[in-house]
Amino acid sequence: DQQVKQNSPSLSVQEGRISILNCDYTNSMFDYFLWYKKYPAEGPTFLISISSIKDKNEDGRFTVFLNKSAKHLSLHIVPSQPGDSAVYFCAASENTYNAGNNRKLIWGLGTSLGVNP
Amino acid sequence: SQTIHQWPATLVQPVGSPLSLECTVEGTSNPNLYWYRQAAGRGLQLLFYSVGIGQISSEVPQNLSASRPQDRQFILSSKKLLLSDSGFYLCAWTSSYNSPLHFGNGTRLTVT
Repeated sequence: DQQVKQNSPSLSVQEGRISILNCDYTNSMFDYFLWYKKYPAEGPTFLISISSIKDKNEDGRFTVFLNKSAKHLSLHIVPSQPGDSAVYFCAASENTYNAGNNRKLIWGLGTSLGVNP
Repeated sequence: SQTIHQWPATLVQPVGSPLSLECTVEGTSNPNLYWYRQAAGRGLQLLFYSVGIGQISSEVPQNLSASRPQDRQFILSSKKLLLSDSGFYLCAWTSSYNSPLHFGNGTRLTVT
């Protein structure tokens, strides 16, 4: 059962336009959400996060929106640049303590973003 | 600043051979350490995590094991590899409960 879903495997956007990547989740106990970017043959890189007490978090060109009632979050990239072409993963976790201060993430399958010059 | 090193970058091993992947973190103490695997066409799957030396929690039953002999060293092992062990293995660390994971560059393992 996929608790975190990224329903679009791929997305293509023109340079300078807005990229919107979507993520849906089913577990209402999730309270922390993150977006990671991954280039081929590299590990994922943390991009931006949001706690469930907020509905928006912004960092430069990247903004994450959280709609708790819809169990939906989205990542907006404005303006999109060719260097943003990568696979974007959505991840979520719930406020559970397990063997200390560990927090386990549940990952989506990723959306491959292509930004065309 | 903190850095994470993971090696080797690529590895081709025959079925039934042993495996040892190593990960070390610099610039922090007592990190939480993780091993993930990304199989072809699939998302990231948590294999093991550790909150301290000698403390290993396994998420998925399999023929892999993990060890943490030192505070900033995490090792993924297998005595006999299976074809299904092929994938992209990622080591990651985090400093605290609400900190994001930081990943190494991964090891591409192909079992032939």
